[in-house]
Amino acid sequence: DAEITQSPRHKITETGRQVTLACHQTWNHNNMFWYRQDLGHGLRLIHYSYGVHDTNKGEVSDGYSVSRSNTEDLPLTLESAASSQTSVYFCASSSDYEQYFGPGTRLTVT
Amino acid sequence: EDQVTQSPEALRLQEGESSSLNCSYTVSGLRGLFWYRQDPGKGPEFLFTLYSAGEEKEKERLKATLTKKESFLHITAPKPEDSATYLCAVQASGSARQLTFGSGTQLTVLP
Repeated sequence: DAEITQSPRHKITETGRQVTLACHQTWNHNNMFWYRQDLGHGLRLIHYSYGVHDTNKGEVSDGYSVSRSNTEDLPLTLESAASSQTSVYFCASSSDYEQYFGPGTRLTVT
Repeated sequence: EDQVTQSPEALRLQEGESSSLNCSYTVSGLRGLFWYRQDPGKGPEFLFTLYSAGEEKEKERLKATLTKKESFLHITAPKPEDSATYLCAVQASGSARQLTFGSGTQLTVLP
């Protein structure tokens, strides 16, 4: 069955370190998205991609970057982790309308 | 700016006690409205897409309806396994495939 996976599921890092969260989907979807979920804010869009070599900034993109070198993967990089980036991160993919979400990565920045 | 407001924030029901969750939205041209279910520690799970006012979709004990300003998720005779956070999201016609989410309604169904 097609699926979307994220790794690691849990990560603790220190302020200032570079961190990369992986997202891999086997749906063969062109569109991929990264969200963060925080209490009181719901899901907020960080970056998104409509295809290979295409990337776009979302609502809360400062301090994050993505690159898309193939259809299946959209890694999210935190260039210099900050305590404000402690959150749960979700990756999603879609062909057109509905987005399908991964299980999430809980990131703690100390 | 697209906005989605969900109410109530939390709802506790007895098993079998039907109720409705509300999702109010403002968007510059609606392409689609989506309902998701999220269990603790998991990613959102897709439930329904509604495209135009008057449309209804059903799945087991859940029925979603849509008007020009809001959507309702009706839960008929809920069971404890329906306990979860229900998220509403909109996709505007000018934003291609991006979704704007509400903060969710946390539903607890007591046995």
